[in-house]
Amino acid sequence: DIQMTQSPSNLSASVGDTVSITCRASQSITNWLAWYQQKPGKAPKLLIYDASILESGVPSRFSGSGSGTEFTLTISSLQPVDFATYYCQQYKTYSPTFGGGTKVELK
Amino acid sequence: QVKLVESGGDVVQPGRSLRLSCVVSGFSFSNNAMHWVRQAPGKGLEWMAVISFDGSKKDYGDSVKGRFTISRDNSKNTVYLQMNSLRVDDTAMYFCAKPYSGTYIFDEWGQGTLVTVSS
Repeated sequence: DIQMTQSPSNLSASVGDTVSITCRASQSITNWLAWYQQKPGKAPKLLIYDASILESGVPSRFSGSGSGTEFTLTISSLQPVDFATYYCQQYKTYSPTFGGGTKVELK
Repeated sequence: QVKLVESGGDVVQPGRSLRLSCVVSGFSFSNNAMHWVRQAPGKGLEWMAVISFDGSKKDYGDSVKGRFTISRDNSKNTVYLQMNSLRVDDTAMYFCAKPYSGTYIFDEWGQGTLVTVSS
Protein backbone atom coordinates (compact mmCIF):
# COMPACT_ATOMS: atom_id res chain seq x y z
CA ASP A 1 0.00 0.00 0.00
CA ILE A 2 1.04 3.59 -0.56
CA GLN A 3 1.77 5.30 2.75
CA MET A 4 0.62 8.87 3.23
CA THR A 5 2.37 11.03 5.81
CA GLN A 6 0.97 14.36 6.92
CA SER A 7 2.78 17.10 8.77
CA PRO A 8 2.37 18.65 11.16
CA SER A 9 -0.03 16.45 13.11
CA ASN A 10 -1.16 19.49 15.10
CA LEU A 11 -1.15 23.13 14.16
CA SER A 12 -2.08 26.13 16.32
CA ALA A 13 -3.17 29.24 14.47
CA SER A 14 -5.23 32.40 14.81
CA VAL A 15 -8.18 33.65 12.81
CA GLY A 16 -6.82 35.39 9.74
CA ASP A 17 -3.61 33.35 9.55
CA THR A 18 -2.51 31.49 6.45
CA VAL A 19 -1.67 27.87 7.22
CA SER A 20 -0.19 25.06 5.17
CA ILE A 21 -0.39 21.32 5.65
CA THR A 22 1.97 18.92 3.88
CA CYS A 23 1.18 15.42 2.68
CA ARG A 24 3.88 13.10 1.40
CA ALA A 25 3.32 9.85 -0.47
CA SER A 26 5.66 6.86 -0.20
CA GLN A 27 5.72 6.67 -4.00
CA SER A 28 4.56 8.87 -6.84
CA ILE A 29 0.80 9.31 -7.03
CA THR A 30 0.95 11.82 -9.88
CA ASN A 31 -1.92 14.14 -8.88
CA TRP A 32 -4.32 11.51 -7.55
CA LEU A 33 -4.80 13.23 -4.22
CA ALA A 34 -7.78 14.55 -2.29
CA TRP A 35 -8.12 16.64 0.84
CA TYR A 36 -10.94 16.32 3.37
CA GLN A 37 -12.03 18.35 6.36
CA GLN A 38 -13.54 16.64 9.38
CA LYS A 39 -15.13 18.25 12.41
CA PRO A 40 -15.73 16.36 15.68
CA GLY A 41 -18.60 13.90 15.43
CA LYS A 42 -19.09 14.56 11.73
CA ALA A 43 -18.27 12.81 8.49
CA PRO A 44 -15.35 13.99 6.39
CA LYS A 45 -16.10 16.61 3.76
CA LEU A 46 -14.34 16.70 0.40
CA LEU A 47 -12.43 19.93 -0.16
CA ILE A 48 -10.04 19.32 -3.05
CA TYR A 49 -9.40 16.52 -5.53
CA ASP A 50 -6.86 15.86 -8.25
CA ALA A 51 -4.46 17.73 -5.95
CA SER A 52 -5.70 21.20 -6.83
CA ILE A 53 -9.33 21.18 -7.98
CA LEU A 54 -11.66 22.84 -5.53
CA GLU A 55 -14.85 20.91 -4.82
CA SER A 56 -18.02 22.81 -5.65
CA GLY A 57 -19.13 25.04 -2.79
CA VAL A 58 -15.77 25.04 -1.01
CA PRO A 59 -14.49 28.56 -0.25
CA SER A 60 -11.66 29.83 -2.41
CA ARG A 61 -9.45 30.39 0.66
CA PHE A 62 -8.70 26.66 0.37
CA SER A 63 -6.15 25.68 -2.23
CA GLY A 64 -4.12 22.61 -3.05
CA SER A 65 -0.85 22.13 -4.87
CA GLY A 66 1.79 19.55 -5.59
CA SER A 67 2.41 16.47 -7.67
CA GLY A 68 4.37 13.26 -7.48
CA THR A 69 5.05 12.65 -3.80
CA GLU A 70 4.63 16.03 -2.10
CA PHE A 71 1.42 17.98 -1.72
CA THR A 72 0.22 21.01 0.20
CA LEU A 73 -3.15 22.21 1.43
CA THR A 74 -3.17 25.94 2.12
CA ILE A 75 -5.88 27.80 3.96
CA SER A 76 -5.65 31.55 3.49
CA SER A 77 -7.18 33.86 6.06
CA LEU A 78 -8.26 31.15 8.47
CA GLN A 79 -11.88 31.48 9.58
CA PRO A 80 -13.46 30.18 12.81
CA VAL A 81 -15.27 27.44 10.86
CA ASP A 82 -11.95 26.14 9.53
CA PHE A 83 -10.75 24.77 12.87
CA ALA A 84 -10.97 21.05 12.19
CA THR A 85 -8.90 18.03 11.26
CA TYR A 86 -7.69 17.67 7.68
CA TYR A 87 -6.84 14.45 5.88
CA CYS A 88 -5.17 13.76 2.58
CA GLN A 89 -6.03 10.65 0.58
CA GLN A 90 -4.37 9.02 -2.41
CA TYR A 91 -6.46 7.25 -5.00
CA LYS A 92 -3.77 6.24 -7.46
CA THR A 93 -4.31 2.61 -6.51
CA TYR A 94 -7.43 0.56 -5.92
CA SER A 95 -6.46 0.46 -2.25
CA PRO A 96 -6.86 4.11 -1.27
CA THR A 97 -5.04 5.32 1.81
CA PHE A 98 -5.31 8.37 4.03
CA GLY A 99 -2.81 10.46 5.86
CA GLY A 100 -2.85 10.47 9.63
CA GLY A 101 -4.56 13.85 9.84
CA THR A 102 -3.65 17.39 10.85
CA LYS A 103 -5.64 19.04 13.60
CA VAL A 104 -5.88 22.80 13.18
CA GLU A 105 -6.56 24.40 16.55
CA LEU A 106 -7.14 27.92 17.77
CA LYS A 107 -4.01 29.45 19.24
CA GLN B 1 -30.35 16.29 -1.89
CA VAL B 2 -27.95 13.40 -1.48
CA LYS B 3 -28.37 11.45 1.71
CA LEU B 4 -26.57 8.40 3.10
CA VAL B 5 -27.80 6.91 6.35
CA GLU B 6 -25.93 4.09 8.06
CA SER B 7 -27.37 1.81 10.71
CA GLY B 8 -26.64 -1.44 12.44
CA GLY B 9 -23.82 -0.43 14.71
CA ASP B 10 -23.82 -2.05 18.13
CA VAL B 11 -21.72 -3.38 20.99
CA VAL B 12 -20.67 -6.96 20.26
CA GLN B 13 -18.28 -9.49 21.73
CA PRO B 14 -15.11 -10.54 19.93
CA GLY B 15 -15.74 -13.30 17.42
CA ARG B 16 -19.34 -12.31 16.80
CA SER B 17 -20.91 -10.94 13.61
CA LEU B 18 -22.72 -7.76 12.68
CA ARG B 19 -24.30 -6.40 9.53
CA LEU B 20 -24.27 -2.70 8.73
CA SER B 21 -26.63 -1.03 6.29
CA CYS B 22 -26.43 2.22 4.38
CA VAL B 23 -29.58 3.53 2.71
CA VAL B 24 -29.03 6.23 0.14
CA SER B 25 -31.20 8.73 -1.67
CA GLY B 26 -30.82 11.73 -3.93
CA PHE B 27 -28.69 10.15 -6.63
CA SER B 28 -28.73 7.23 -9.02
CA PHE B 29 -27.61 4.51 -6.62
CA SER B 30 -27.70 1.72 -9.20
CA ASN B 31 -25.17 3.60 -11.36
CA ASN B 32 -22.64 4.17 -8.60
CA ALA B 33 -20.01 2.10 -6.88
CA MET B 34 -20.13 2.40 -3.09
CA HIS B 35 -17.50 2.22 -0.36
CA TRP B 36 -17.13 1.67 3.34
CA VAL B 37 -14.53 3.63 5.34
CA ARG B 38 -13.93 3.36 9.07
CA GLN B 39 -12.38 5.46 11.78
CA ALA B 40 -11.22 4.04 15.10
CA PRO B 41 -11.81 6.34 18.09
CA GLY B 42 -9.39 9.25 17.97
CA LYS B 43 -7.67 7.83 14.89
CA GLY B 44 -7.53 8.44 11.16
CA LEU B 45 -9.55 7.10 8.25
CA GLU B 46 -9.16 3.60 6.85
CA TRP B 47 -10.70 2.41 3.61
CA MET B 48 -12.51 -0.90 4.01
CA ALA B 49 -14.32 -2.05 0.91
CA VAL B 50 -15.81 -1.17 -2.45
CA ILE B 51 -18.59 -2.70 -4.53
CA SER B 52 -19.27 -1.94 -8.18
CA PHE B 53 -22.54 -0.43 -9.34
CA ASP B 54 -24.02 -3.84 -10.15
CA GLY B 55 -22.40 -5.81 -7.35
CA SER B 56 -20.28 -7.89 -9.69
CA LYS B 57 -16.95 -6.60 -8.42
CA LYS B 58 -15.81 -6.23 -4.83
CA ASP B 59 -12.55 -5.39 -3.18
CA TYR B 60 -11.36 -5.11 0.41
CA GLY B 61 -8.66 -3.64 2.54
CA ASP B 62 -6.11 -6.13 3.83
CA SER B 63 -7.22 -5.79 7.46
CA VAL B 64 -10.74 -7.09 6.72
CA LYS B 65 -10.22 -9.33 3.70
CA GLY B 66 -11.78 -12.74 4.38
CA ARG B 67 -13.81 -11.47 7.36
CA PHE B 68 -15.98 -8.69 5.92
CA THR B 69 -18.29 -8.87 2.90
CA ILE B 70 -19.77 -5.94 1.04
CA SER B 71 -23.02 -6.34 -0.86
CA ARG B 72 -25.83 -4.23 -2.24
CA ASP B 73 -29.51 -4.32 -3.11
CA ASN B 74 -30.21 -1.81 -5.86
CA SER B 75 -33.96 -2.29 -5.45
CA LYS B 76 -33.62 -0.96 -1.90
CA ASN B 77 -30.92 1.65 -2.54
CA THR B 78 -28.91 -0.04 0.17
CA VAL B 79 -25.33 -1.17 0.59
CA TYR B 80 -24.36 -3.61 3.33
CA LEU B 81 -21.26 -4.60 5.22
CA GLN B 82 -21.34 -8.06 6.78
CA MET B 83 -18.68 -8.23 9.46
CA ASN B 84 -17.69 -11.65 10.78
CA SER B 85 -15.09 -12.75 13.33
CA LEU B 86 -15.05 -9.30 14.82
CA ARG B 87 -11.97 -8.25 16.77
CA VAL B 88 -11.42 -5.57 19.38
CA ASP B 89 -9.48 -3.54 16.82
CA ASP B 90 -12.54 -3.41 14.54
CA THR B 91 -14.01 -0.94 17.01
CA ALA B 92 -14.70 2.17 14.94
CA MET B 93 -17.18 4.50 13.37
CA TYR B 94 -18.14 3.04 10.01
CA PHE B 95 -19.02 5.39 7.17
CA CYS B 96 -20.49 4.57 3.80
CA ALA B 97 -19.27 6.84 1.05
CA LYS B 98 -20.24 7.62 -2.51
CA PRO B 99 -17.43 8.24 -4.97
CA TYR B 100 -17.35 10.46 -7.99
CA SER B 101 -18.24 8.10 -10.82
CA GLY B 102 -15.29 5.99 -11.86
CA THR B 103 -13.03 7.29 -9.12
CA TYR B 104 -12.12 6.70 -5.51
CA ILE B 105 -12.79 10.35 -4.60
CA PHE B 106 -15.44 10.36 -1.88
CA ASP B 107 -17.78 13.26 -2.47
CA GLU B 108 -20.64 12.19 -0.20
CA TRP B 109 -20.54 10.49 3.20
CA GLY B 110 -23.04 9.20 5.70
CA GLN B 111 -22.98 10.26 9.32
CA GLY B 112 -21.54 6.92 10.41
CA THR B 113 -22.58 4.07 12.67
CA LEU B 114 -20.54 3.02 15.69
CA VAL B 115 -19.34 -0.54 16.15
CA THR B 116 -17.82 -1.44 19.50
CA VAL B 117 -16.19 -4.84 19.93
CA SER B 118 -15.63 -5.63 23.55
CA SER B 119 -15.86 -8.56 25.91
